[in-house]
Amino acid sequence: DTEVTQTPKHLVMGMTNKKSLKCEQHMGHRAMYWYKQKAKKPPELMFVYSYEKLSINESVPSRFSPECPNSSLLNLHLHALQPEDSALYLCASSHLTTNTEAFFGQGTRLTVV
Amino acid sequence: EDQVTQSPEALRLQEGESSSLNCSYTVSGLRGLFWYRQDPGKGPEFLFTLYSAGEEKEKERLKATLTKKESFLHITAPKPEDSATYLCAVVTAQGAQKLVFGQGTRLTINP
Repeated sequence: DTEVTQTPKHLVMGMTNKKSLKCEQHMGHRAMYWYKQKAKKPPELMFVYSYEKLSINESVPSRFSPECPNSSLLNLHLHALQPEDSALYLCASSHLTTNTEAFFGQGTRLTVV
Repeated sequence: EDQVTQSPEALRLQEGESSSLNCSYTVSGLRGLFWYRQDPGKGPEFLFTLYSAGEEKEKERLKATLTKKESFLHITAPKPEDSATYLCAVVTAQGAQKLVFGQGTRLTINP
């Protein structure tokens, strides 16, 4: 099983709203990632968690707040977003060695109005 | 700076017309090169991992190869369902756990 599950699939939120994206995997992976993808562009790394600890933050604005409650779950808390934050948000997971493949979820299509 | 360049940006083929997609890379210390397929509005689907020059991997109509400077994704006798964006990504010694993606190749197979 190489499944990464993301919820919700679609989300529309206002600029003053607070919402959360959720991600779950049961492959025993100890590295989990958030990526952002705009139309016709490749995914851009936002955050990396290793053993439930934040190891990489790619200078992401503080209106995006990641959380890793346990080894299977990853959340992305959203607050006071801008319309330009509208994108496909992808979660991924991998084993912790640096040269193994990452498996992606189907993404959450976020629209900020 | 690590760089991954894919060509062509877009490719339109007739069903059954074989071709190759290119991924060239300029990185310091390649640890792994990955190919993904992405359908519109979906997450990337893992296809292959290549670690060293000379390595080849195959899956159905797809075959990935790796040299010291580039990788090719060969598509043999493609079908319309092979239409997708194909992404190449690398992990380097310096960028642990960080996938560096190319811009992708949008492949369309006409019936």
